[in-house]
Order: sequence, then C-alpha cells, then structure tokens
Amino acid sequence: SQQGEEDPQALSIQEGENATMNCSYKTSINNLQWYRQNSGRGLVHLILIRSNEREKHSGRLRVTLDTSKKSSSLLITASRAADTASYFCAEVGGSQGNLIFGKGTKLSVKP
Amino acid sequence: DSGVTQTPKHLITATGQRVTLRCSPRSGDLSVYWYQQSLDQGLQFLIQYYNGEERAKGNILERFSAQQFPDLHSELNLSSLELGDSALYFCASSGVAGPNTGELFFGEGSRLTVL
Repeated sequence: SQQGEEDPQALSIQEGENATMNCSYKTSINNLQWYRQNSGRGLVHLILIRSNEREKHSGRLRVTLDTSKKSSSLLITASRAADTASYFCAEVGGSQGNLIFGKGTKLSVKP
Repeated sequence: DSGVTQTPKHLITATGQRVTLRCSPRSGDLSVYWYQQSLDQGLQFLIQYYNGEERAKGNILERFSAQQFPDLHSELNLSSLELGDSALYFCASSGVAGPNTGELFFGEGSRLTVL
C-alpha cells in the first residue's frame, strides 16, 4: 500500500494540553498536507508544508517536516474540546498530484 | 462550506444494484478527485479527473467508473454492488493538478449502505 501512517492511532488529552501527531510518508514529496475530519464529515485542509520547508505555523498549529526521515509532525497547542476530530496527513503521490492519505489519528480533547 | 456539493448525502441499496454519485466542484476548479472511506481501509484514492480527462487512477475497482462532464461536474458510477462497497464516498476539487497539487476542498460525502 502507498499509504503513509500516522502515530498514534488515537490520542486522548485534557483541554489546555498540547497534542502531537506524527506521520510517516512513502514518496518523494513536493509537499505534505494535514487535514482534519469531524466525525462523518468532509475533510478540511489545515496546513501545507513544502519539501524545502522544515517548519510552518498557523495559529495554534505547528507542522514540522523531516524529508531525510520521511516524517512530519503536527502539534496543536492549548487544545480545546472543539479540536476533537481525526487528523490526517497527505502526501502528493507521484507525478499526477493525487493526494495519498494516511490512516489518521483520532484526537479526543476532554473538557 | 467548501463549495463542493455532493448528492445524494445518503443512499441505501441492495447487493447487485447500481448507483450514481454526483459531485459539483468549487466554481473554477478543474480537478476532481474521488475517495472512498471505510473503517478498515481508511481513505482510499479512487480516481482523478482534470478538465474532463482522466488524470490518475488509484484503487478503483473495475465495477466502478467515473467521468467528468464539460460543465466540470463529475459522476461516480458503482455497479454490481457488494456489501463491502458500503462506505463514505468523497469528492474533492482543486484548482491545479500535477506534482504541485495544493489544497483539496472536500464535499460532505455520500454515505452508501449496501444491504
């Protein structure tokens, strides 16, 4: 399978704590993206990091990329109950540009 | 609201039947992607169209087919349905295609249940 993998598969934290999710990917990427999915809903794009970038911030989100290890991490700081969702990383697969998603991390933030 | 519209939202049908899922991309987006999400397989890429032409193929079964019309809407046809085809089917669109693909905009999905 071409799918990458997120780690952990599930994460449960208290409001106010930080949440870190890791992703390993398989291809030689142009960019790597993170998406969020509320239960049973469509995916929503969070952030894109290009292969020549090492770190990127967007609000309470911080993404890092290590192309030598083919890995990325997503950090959500000061989490809120509303952050409860599944988070997916996605690599741009091959020359055609289709996104290949990992299996996701299910984050539960308890109030 | 992503601007991507999928119909129907829910569909219940029997094994052996055929269904058509419809997707209207965001205004101006030329690329349409179809994904299948099931509990055991996760989010699987099925097929991509760009401006009416098939651009990339993923794990799409031979029983499934898709097309993108001149007005850029797309349809995914699922035939000879099996219980295992029960899943959420997502359509996504983007303005570009190719190795520098950026953000995808997802619809809310069509939930197919095969009984």
